[in-house]
Amino acid sequence: GQQLNQSPQSMFIQEGEDVSMNCTSSSIFNTWLWYKQDPGEGPVLLIALYKAGELTSNGRLTAQFGITRKDSFLNISASIPSDVGIYFCALIIQGAQKLVFGQGTRLTINP
Amino acid sequence: ETGVTQTPRHLVMGMTNKKSLKCEQHLGHNAMYWYKQSAKKPLELMFVYNFKEQTENNSVPSRFSPECPNSSHLFLHLHTLQPEDSALYLCASSQEARTNYGYTFGSGTRLTVV
Repeated sequence: GQQLNQSPQSMFIQEGEDVSMNCTSSSIFNTWLWYKQDPGEGPVLLIALYKAGELTSNGRLTAQFGITRKDSFLNISASIPSDVGIYFCALIIQGAQKLVFGQGTRLTINP
Repeated sequence: ETGVTQTPRHLVMGMTNKKSLKCEQHLGHNAMYWYKQSAKKPLELMFVYNFKEQTENNSVPSRFSPECPNSSHLFLHLHTLQPEDSALYLCASSQEARTNYGYTFGSGTRLTVV
């Protein structure tokens, strides 16, 4: 099956720090998605990337689709307490009409 | 109501019980999905329905039985579950199964099997 590796698995930071996480895949894909899951809720789409090299921002969040089309990163600048949660990267496997998720990065922020 | 709504939010059931999870979407989407989220595991796709037809069963045990009576509703019928089936069950929807735009998720049902 598709290998999708997300790192780090967890992060413990101080409020105001910047955060970076990334995902790599074993194959080339056309779409990378980044989701956030708040405690007790379902994942919510943050950013979608459709072109190699694409850099997209959503407020303090910035994500890039790697040039090789096998990786993506998500940055969060100046973290605030509501950024706490689990962040997932995801790939769309077109032929199989599937959304496949990474293992998630659990973000904890110390005030 | 808007978005994807799942009921109940929490469910505790014995191994001999029969229960059902319900999902309803008000987005006009035509594809609906069940995912399982266990501790320390990635989200696992269970079933895909596209225009009310099941198009994927990801090797899910028969003690989980999905039903999609129309494009807006999706059920997951549960019977004779095992404690290892305890997890967060998430429903999602999308415009159609072949989409580039990701899925909209519900808040999930936290299932505990005792």
